[in-house]
Amino acid sequence: DAGVIQSPRHEVTEMGQEVTLRCKPISGHDYLFWYRQTMMRGLELLIYFNNNVPIDDSGMPEDRFSAKMPNASFSTLKIQPSEPRDSAVYFCASRRRDRGLILPKMNTEAFFGQGTRLTVV
Amino acid sequence: KQEVTQIPAALSVPEGENLVLNCSFTDSAIYNLQWFRQDPGKGLTSLLLIQSSQREQTSGRLNASLDKSSGRSTLYIAASQPGDSATYLCAVTRSGGSNYKLTFGKGTLLTVNP
Repeated sequence: DAGVIQSPRHEVTEMGQEVTLRCKPISGHDYLFWYRQTMMRGLELLIYFNNNVPIDDSGMPEDRFSAKMPNASFSTLKIQPSEPRDSAVYFCASRRRDRGLILPKMNTEAFFGQGTRLTVV
Repeated sequence: KQEVTQIPAALSVPEGENLVLNCSFTDSAIYNLQWFRQDPGKGLTSLLLIQSSQREQTSGRLNASLDKSSGRSTLYIAASQPGDSATYLCAVTRSGGSNYKLTFGKGTLLTVNP
């Protein structure tokens, strides 16, 4: 497998413009996570999905941020309108739950994409 | 709320030295702890995952230990090399409920000098 694939790798946009970040998780992984990394705050979870359903979006900073997962192999994170303080590196990650258990456990590795470096000027 | 702390924030060592990176977490109810490496401008590469029932995991020159009751993990790097220079991050996955997110520390920036 090619790993988690994110696009674009770099995005420079003007304040007020719409930005869409894309992610293709590893095939067979049940969970998909969107993280944001800044120098000040480190890695913060924005939202995560289980089987394409959003489970926890408490980290989404504002209504300007939205995320979708229309199918198991694709997710988007959209910022509209973008602001300079949104400048950061955005990571997508995926992991699968343990198999064969009644209650799912998460004793599996999470794998990250290469990230999208977003600059809003 | 789970908080993860990594000390030191930065570490510089000469090549060949053995070193230890530290990670502590406030809530011991975890499924596992994962160590990552991040090179400048790159994504996170998984190094080791240690489950809550385990005390140690080894991969090559890396050895991770976990003391869940005290909320601590260490990553031991033997015979360090300049290629080990990177930021090392630890992350925990909380157990119980259905929240499977990883909570990260802010990392330790390691520089191995030739």
